[in-house]
Amino acid sequence: DAGVIQSPRHEVTEMGQEVTLRCKPISGHDYLFWYRQTMMRGLELLIYFNNNVPIDDSGMPEDRFSAKMPNASFSTLKIQPSEPRDSAVYFCASSLDFRPEAFFGQGTRLTVV
Amino acid sequence: AQKVTQAQTEISVVEKEDVTLDCVYETRDTTYYLFWYKQPPSGELVFLIRRNSFDEQNEISGRYSWNFQKSTSSFNFTITASQVVDSAVYFCALSGYNFNKFYFGSGTKLNVKP
Repeated sequence: DAGVIQSPRHEVTEMGQEVTLRCKPISGHDYLFWYRQTMMRGLELLIYFNNNVPIDDSGMPEDRFSAKMPNASFSTLKIQPSEPRDSAVYFCASSLDFRPEAFFGQGTRLTVV
Repeated sequence: AQKVTQAQTEISVVEKEDVTLDCVYETRDTTYYLFWYKQPPSGELVFLIRRNSFDEQNEISGRYSWNFQKSTSSFNFTITASQVVDSAVYFCALSGYNFNKFYFGSGTKLNVKP
C-alpha cells in the first residue's frame, strides 16, 4: 500500500486566496483525520471522519475552514479566504476501526503571504 | 481531561549513548491507548508503537524499548546505543476508549551527534 497520500506537498498562496488540500487515505481505512502543526500550538486535530461522515469538527478554527469526504478514498480541506496565520503543516491521517494507531501522510506545508 | 506532557523540549546526546524520552499523561478513561511517533527532519510522522491501558508489559524492539507504568501515568521511551539517524522529534500521544481522537504531547527533539 502506498500509505496516506497528500497533495500538494508545498503550497504558497496570497492572503485572501482559496486553498484546497487533498488527501487519499490508506485503502480500507475507515477513519480519516486532518491535523495542523505549528511551532506555537504543536499538533492540533482539526476534524475527523468515520466512514466518510464528519464526526467531530470542534478543532476547526474558523468558518473559513471546511472539510469534505465525498468518498472513502478522498478528502479535502479548504481554507477560504486564507490568512497568513493559517501558515502551517497540514497532515492527513487514516486508521482502521480495530487498530487505533493512525498513519500519517507526509503533510502539506502551507505558506500564506 | 486528556493531556500528554513531554517535559523535555530538546535533548542532545553523542552517538552510542542511551537516551530516555519522558511522557506523562492524564486521562479519566479506564481504557485508553498510548502511542509514540517519530518525526524526522523530512517532516512525516512515523508510527512507532501502541500500548493499551491493560497491558503494562514493557516492550523492546531492537534498540527501542518502552516502559509503561500506570502507577505514575508514564510511558517512557528509551533508545539504546543511539545513532545519528535517530535524530528527530518524538511525540507521545494518547487516545481514549473511542480511540479516534489523539492528544499529542509537544514533542521532544532529539539530537544525536556523531
